[in-house]
Amino acid sequence: DTGVSQNPRHKITKRGQNVTFRCDPISEHNRLYWYRQTLGQGPEFLTYFQNEAQLEKSRLLSDRFSAERPKGSFSTLEIQRTEQGDSAMYLCASSLAGTSNTIYFGEGSWLTVV
Amino acid sequence: GESVGLHLPTLSVQEGDNSIINCAYSNSASDYFIWYKQESGKGPQFIIDIRSNMDKRQGQRVTVLLNKTVKHLSLQIAATQPGDSAVYFCAEKLNTGNQFYFGTGTSLTVIP
Repeated sequence: DTGVSQNPRHKITKRGQNVTFRCDPISEHNRLYWYRQTLGQGPEFLTYFQNEAQLEKSRLLSDRFSAERPKGSFSTLEIQRTEQGDSAMYLCASSLAGTSNTIYFGEGSWLTVV
Repeated sequence: GESVGLHLPTLSVQEGDNSIINCAYSNSASDYFIWYKQESGKGPQFIIDIRSNMDKRQGQRVTVLLNKTVKHLSLQIAATQPGDSAVYFCAEKLNTGNQFYFGTGTSLTVIP
């Protein structure tokens, strides 16, 4: 059983550029979450999907952020016109609704905006 | 967001001793709690969970205690080992949704 897979693991981009992160959840997990984590802080919720439906979005998810899960399997998180304040680790997690609700995280994608 | 806080940001223990990491939460509507361990540069790793209808749950070398009266959660690690050095987070889920709220974390350092 493979865990949650995220790529790229590291991304350095210039301010103003667009970046996209991909997450492959644990097989058969129907819920997928995106979190953001900065140094010294706990993960902050951004959004989550159940199958292909985006059910909840945080106020942290500005208009420059968009997440998709078109076929209910992998998901992408795109950040447009990146700003230095977007530098963080972007974590993906997945769970199987109707069971324990435990969410399992991937190793994260580090974003550095220069 | 909800307030999930930790009493101590850092904790140092001698190898072999027991560790206790505390967490306070603010919302009485929280129905599920998870403890995660996060090593440097990695994603949070599930350790143990507990539902609000329980007071205690034990795993391998770890025990979680839940006191709903004072909204307090603790993680006990028995016979702490150097490999336990990491940042530990508690996370809570409200009964009204499916997202988890995380505290700031406690950094545990095990001294050999």
